[in-house]
Amino acid sequence: GAGVSQSPSNKVTEKGKDVELRCDPISGHTALYWYRQRLGQGLEFLIYFQGNSAPDKSGLPSDRFSAERTGESVSTLTIQRTQQEDSAVYLCASSLGQTNNEQFFGPGTRLTVL
Amino acid sequence: AQSVSQHNHHVILSEAASLELGCNYSYGGTVNLFWYVQYPGQHLQLLLKYFSGDPLVKGIKGFEAEFIKSKFSFNLRKPSVQWSDTAEYFCAVNGAGNNRKLIWGLGTSLAVNP
Repeated sequence: GAGVSQSPSNKVTEKGKDVELRCDPISGHTALYWYRQRLGQGLEFLIYFQGNSAPDKSGLPSDRFSAERTGESVSTLTIQRTQQEDSAVYLCASSLGQTNNEQFFGPGTRLTVL
Repeated sequence: AQSVSQHNHHVILSEAASLELGCNYSYGGTVNLFWYVQYPGQHLQLLLKYFSGDPLVKGIKGFEAEFIKSKFSFNLRKPSVQWSDTAEYFCAVNGAGNNRKLIWGLGTSLAVNP
């Protein structure tokens, strides 16, 4: 089937605005991850969902960031009151959720905050 | 602290040259190790992975990596690179037996000249 999809592919917003990024995981994948990649830096973990368990939010950089996932389907990452330092590529990945599974990545959303 | 270090940030090679990209990690406990590749304009994809067993793992496109536990290393190798190997290469680690966040290196940009 299709891979992980993300929308939009690019988003330009003004400082202070809220943005919502969407991720559609691979069908049947119970685990879903959000990462951020800022220019010249490695990927940075943000949040992890596994089935109906409480998400691991340990990577969210501030309370302006939040994410939701309904069941084992779509996830949205919301950034409120965006700042210029939020400019990055936001990557979503999914996996089968069993022990030692590979994460499959989407194409990312490039966010630019002016 | 958990971390991954990739020693080479930019590598330039001629076709048919041999490649070795260094990766060292700091992570308590048993680990899973990954190399991901991002070709220009494409999203991250798995090159190879180590979970357990034979420490020499083979991946796609002729790549291999060796897990040396005593050195906390997982170096990527290819005996003869091609122009099509031009890409960004990322080393990542997570804890064995779980599917939680990946810890990433900063990446190595490889340019292969024809």
